Amino acid sequence: DAGVIQSPRHEVTEMGQEVTLRCKPISGHDYLFWYRQTMMRGLELLIYFNNNVPIDDSGMPEDRFSAKMPNASFSTLKIQPSEPRDSAVYFCASRGQGEVNEQFFGPGTRLTVL
Amino acid sequence: GENVEQHPSTLSVQEGDSAVIKCTYSDSASNYFPWYKQELGKRPQLIIDIRSNVGEKKDQRIAVTLNKTAKHFSLHITETQPEDSAVYFCAEGGNNRLAFGKGNQVVVIP
Repeated sequence: DAGVIQSPRHEVTEMGQEVTLRCKPISGHDYLFWYRQTMMRGLELLIYFNNNVPIDDSGMPEDRFSAKMPNASFSTLKIQPSEPRDSAVYFCASRGQGEVNEQFFGPGTRLTVL
Repeated sequence: GENVEQHPSTLSVQEGDSAVIKCTYSDSASNYFPWYKQELGKRPQLIIDIRSNVGEKKDQRIAVTLNKTAKHFSLHITETQPEDSAVYFCAEGGNNRLAFGKGNQVVVIP
């Protein structure tokens, strides 16, 4: 298994532009999580899905952020319009069904907004 | 609500010595407590976890102890090696999600 796949690995964009981050979870995993990591705030949960349905989006910072999961093998996190304070590493993670257990993280997308 | 704190924020140890990182949490409903290791520029990876019905768990040089009454759990690394240098994150889990602490930087001095 290739593990959780994220693209792009690096993204540099200018303020005001739309940014789309992509994630492919591990096959068979029912949960998908989007995190943001910064030095100041650490690892923050933005949103998570169960069976493609958004369960908790209370961590999404504001309306500029949106996430979708159209099917079990693909999710996107979109920022529109982007701002310099959105610069961070964005991780996607997935886990299987059942009791709370290990989340497997993707390699992350390093986003820089100029 | 969830509030996870880790101490100390940075820990330097001599190679071969032991390292201990403590994590406190606030949600008494949490029942799952993992530790993740993140090397520079890499993704967080699970190294050990413990559930609320167990007080201690060990895996080779690493161990985790849990005190549910006091709401804290600790990571113990024995015989530290340079490759143990990383940031370590604790988390508390329940209701299918994890809340992470801000991490401890561990530096193993050769």
